[in-house]
Amino acid sequence: GAGVSQSPSNKVTEKGKDVELRCDPISGHTALYWYRQSLGQGLEFLIYFQGNSAPDKSGLPSDRFSAERTGGSVSTLTIQRTQQEDSAVYLCASSRDRANNEQFFGPGTRLTVL
Amino acid sequence: GEDVEQSLFLSVREGDSSVINCTYTDSSSTYLYWYKQEPGAGLQLLTYIFSNMDMKQDQRLTVLLNKKDKHLSLRIADTQTGDSAIYFCAERGDSNYQLIWGAGTKLIIKP
Repeated sequence: GAGVSQSPSNKVTEKGKDVELRCDPISGHTALYWYRQSLGQGLEFLIYFQGNSAPDKSGLPSDRFSAERTGGSVSTLTIQRTQQEDSAVYLCASSRDRANNEQFFGPGTRLTVL
Repeated sequence: GEDVEQSLFLSVREGDSSVINCTYTDSSSTYLYWYKQEPGAGLQLLTYIFSNMDMKQDQRLTVLLNKKDKHLSLRIADTQTGDSAIYFCAERGDSNYQLIWGAGTKLIIKP
């Protein structure tokens, strides 16, 4: 079956522009996570969606970052007024439910802010 | 806050065993994971271990957990070129679905 997909795979933008990153989780997975991976560092948790519950936004680094999940499926991560320090790989993962152990990851979106 | 530490690189000869180590600080960890990231690919769960276990074996992979020392290791027997990747250790506490991740260990295979 289809895995987690993300688009675009690469995004180059100018400082100050807004970007939208998309994640299509595995069908039927109720939990969705966004992470940021910077070079040489571990994954940094950004936000978590579980079903219809209010998302856990505790990992978002600033108010320039926001995310939504429409219809409990597709999610969009939006970064407004991008800065150079936002350059990273943004990873999306989904799991069957909150209690489930395995998170399935997408290939990521590499964001470069010039 | 909680932390997970790994060395950044490990170099082994093809056919030898690789041992990747990880230490963590969260004494309430319930699950500990090893993920593999190959170039251009997403993270893939290799294996995980419950905190009440001290060993788990799956084909060429052996996970050892020393809960007292908060030390986790992943042993890959008969290392092959296809094992070249970055290996991430992660842990999850009892009350939180969030995973705390190490920075990853890049496994380099020498011919």
